[in-house]
Amino acid sequence: DVKVTQSSRYLVKRTGEKVFLECVQDMDHENMFWYRQDPGLGLRLIYFSYDVKMKEKGDIPEGYSVSREKKERFSLILESASTNQTSMYLCASSYGVQPQHFGDGTRLSIL
Amino acid sequence: DAKTTQPNSMESNEEEPVHLPCNHSTISGTDYIHWYRQLPSQGPEYVIHGLTSNVNNRMASLAIAEDRKSSTLILHRATLRDAAVYYCILSVRYGNKLVFGAGTILRVKS
Repeated sequence: DVKVTQSSRYLVKRTGEKVFLECVQDMDHENMFWYRQDPGLGLRLIYFSYDVKMKEKGDIPEGYSVSREKKERFSLILESASTNQTSMYLCASSYGVQPQHFGDGTRLSIL
Repeated sequence: DAKTTQPNSMESNEEEPVHLPCNHSTISGTDYIHWYRQLPSQGPEYVIHGLTSNVNNRMASLAIAEDRKSSTLILHRATLRDAAVYYCILSVRYGNKLVFGAGTILRVKS
């Protein structure tokens, strides 16, 4: 089975901090994605990557950046965390147009 | 991106079939129809997908209308573990980008 692992289930940070969320997949998928999920807003795509060192903006990229130095790892970076970035963050990976496989999410609180 | 329309919620009795509808009248010829579900405190889980023909797998069946403007996810015998939010999504072919809507909350009664 495909495994998508997010480094933390829960994370608490302070405003202004630089925050790194890590995601690793073990199936050699070329596509990787970062979403955030908020009540009433559903899942929204932040960034995605279809190859190493490649990235594309999703629907809500402001305040975020990403890094993909290795195929299996996709990092989401909050350059200067703000309280409105408190959310559930979900990572996913896929091969071609095959289904996406999701991690269990990181619940991030910015105080 | 083409949009989908689903009922906000549905209720089913345990061990009865469930038909979850989805309308996607602006679907394009290359859009795949995906269904995912999300159980409480978990990430979304792939259920099934299709392009034109009906599809079956161990979890569910997907019935696609001939004009592709609607589809139905069929759970043949609902269990309490099937209680989740079910998302019907059309995928843009390049990069397999998915746009999630609000989904349908499925409640299963024992």
